Amino acid sequence: EAGVAQSPRYKIIEKRQSVAFWCNPISGHATLYWYQQILGQGPKLLIQFQNNGVVDDSQLPKDRFSAERLKGVDSTLKIQPAKLEDSAVYLCASSLITGTEREKLFFGSGTQLSVL
Amino acid sequence: QKEVEQDPGPLSVPEGAIVSLNCTYSNSAFQYFMWYRQYSRKGPELLMYTYSSGNKEDGRFTAQVDKSSKYISLFIRDSQPSDSATYLCAMSLPGGKLIFGQGTELSVKP
Repeated sequence: EAGVAQSPRYKIIEKRQSVAFWCNPISGHATLYWYQQILGQGPKLLIQFQNNGVVDDSQLPKDRFSAERLKGVDSTLKIQPAKLEDSAVYLCASSLITGTEREKLFFGSGTQLSVL
Repeated sequence: QKEVEQDPGPLSVPEGAIVSLNCTYSNSAFQYFMWYRQYSRKGPELLMYTYSSGNKEDGRFTAQVDKSSKYISLFIRDSQPSDSATYLCAMSLPGGKLIFGQGTELSVKP
């Protein structure tokens, strides 16, 4: 079974530039998450999708971050404009929608973003 | 006060040692308790998953939950160099949102 795919693996940009990350979840997983992991910290949820709809985006800085999940499969996360404090690993995860399986997240390898 | 507290370490042990990793939490609404393992430059992978208070064993790994004390633990027996990684505790709220601990960096020396 193929895992969660993310690209690019690494990205270096200057502050005030824009950047986009792509995620393809495990086939059949209706729930998709974007997490931000700052060095030395645990992952923090940015946004959760269930199929096409947003379930939780309470911690997404909406003035600069946006995310979409068209057709309930792939997703993109965009930052515009980037700030120095956005330097982190951006992790995509997916899970099944039903019962206790919903809490079992499968993560991609992440995109490491450096903002200079 | 953070919802989930985890000692970041780092923790260094000799091969074959028993490792104990711990997290405390403050929110009584947490329903499921998990441990994830994260190797360098990789995403977290689910290691253990529990719901009720008590112990759950899987090979060399034992997860322990004490809801009355709001405390969870992960024990690794006969630790191996391949166990060297960052271990993250995670807890889920109703609705499925996960809250992660800071992670404990473990190094097992041959």
